[in-house]
Amino acid sequence: NAGVTQTPKFQVLKTGQSMTLQCAQDMNHEYMSWYRQDPGMGLRLIHYSVGAGITDQGEVPNGYNVSRSTTEDFPLRLLSAAPSQTSVYFCASSSTQGYNEQFFGPGTRLTVL
Amino acid sequence: GEDVEQSLFLSVREGDSSVINCTYTDSSSTYLYWYKQEPGAGLQLLTYIFSNMDMKQDQRLTVLLNKKDKHLSLRIADTQTGDSAIYFCAEENYGGSQGNLIFGKGTKLSVKP
Repeated sequence: NAGVTQTPKFQVLKTGQSMTLQCAQDMNHEYMSWYRQDPGMGLRLIHYSVGAGITDQGEVPNGYNVSRSTTEDFPLRLLSAAPSQTSVYFCASSSTQGYNEQFFGPGTRLTVL
Repeated sequence: GEDVEQSLFLSVREGDSSVINCTYTDSSSTYLYWYKQEPGAGLQLLTYIFSNMDMKQDQRLTVLLNKKDKHLSLRIADTQTGDSAIYFCAEENYGGSQGNLIFGKGTKLSVKP
């Protein structure tokens, strides 16, 4: 099992550019989510999905879109990048059965100039 | 609203015990969690406790739960330099989705040789 994979590991964008952060998991987990981690702010939930075709907003969804066409993939799209979106982005997945062990990807470090 | 509070920094000497404290707000959480983040990596589940327990011990780790005060602590016995990391406390957020967790800002543990 590869677990949760994220690409790219690093990305630099100019203000106004768009891009997609990729996330995939091979554990057949129903639940997937995207977080951003900023110094002194901890982890903040951007969007989440409880299954294919179902997505919902988290705490900080503005400027981001998601879709979940398959169980395995949960891409995060930045429509028009802004310097405030400079952050480290983590994708996570978990089963919805029993206790909630979230499995995290290695992260994408994004810089918006 | 829901909030999870932790102190941001803790410094200990190798061989001493470390105690990381957390307060949470959602008394409906079935489980409470401790996650560990090593430099440059995503979070990993360290341990969890069921809400009807007061204590859980797992090798060098002891979790104490005081439901009345909504206080959770993580004790690491015989702390080693390899324990240097950021430790996150998390509660469940059923107001959003069964999969959502609310994380504290994280406590950075530094272990001095």
